[in-house]
Amino acid sequence: DAGVTQSPTHLIKTRGQQVTLRCSPKSGHDTVSWYQQALGQGPQFIFQYYEEEERQRGNFPDRFSGHQFPNYSSELNVNALLLGDSALYLCASRQTGGETQYFGPGTRLLVL
Amino acid sequence: AQSVTQPDIHITVSEGASLELRCNYSYGATPYLFWYVQSPGQGLQLLLKYFSGDTLVQGIKGFEAEFKRSQSSFNLRKPSVHWSDAAEYFCAESGAGSYQLTFGKGTKLSVIP
Repeated sequence: DAGVTQSPTHLIKTRGQQVTLRCSPKSGHDTVSWYQQALGQGPQFIFQYYEEEERQRGNFPDRFSGHQFPNYSSELNVNALLLGDSALYLCASRQTGGETQYFGPGTRLLVL
Repeated sequence: AQSVTQPDIHITVSEGASLELRCNYSYGATPYLFWYVQSPGQGLQLLLKYFSGDTLVQGIKGFEAEFKRSQSSFNLRKPSVHWSDAAEYFCAESGAGSYQLTFGKGTKLSVIP
């Protein structure tokens, strides 16, 4: 049973560029959340997708956007990258009605 | 706003010694509480969770945690630490129906052989 997978594992971008990160949820899961984990910090909630719509959003600017596809996979897009966007981006999935979120290995983004 | 406090940034214990990692939550009603572990460069692995019922919950790898409403705490314990337990540990909470996890800043555990 495959867990949550994310791609790419690492990414280097320059300020002002745009980036797309991808996530495939655990089998049987239909809800995907994204978190940002800065160095030395706990993860912070960005947003959650269910039925291809954004359902909840944390305190992140509109530069952060997402998408969920019919197969439940998801993308996180960040526009106009800032140095402060450098972080580990974690995807988590859960089943509808389930309270437990399972995390992927993350994508480490470095903005130069 | 919800907040989770992990008072200890870094803890060092000897292999075989007992361990307690502290966590205080802020959610007023019955929170959903979680402990996750993160090895260097890795994602988060769920150790255990509390939703309701028995206040002492058992998790994987020999970990347990106790929910104490009077102290707003959910401390993680292990009777005998192994060198492989060295990692960063995160406590998290969510409100019922929210599904948005709020994490503490984490406690880094070092284990002396």
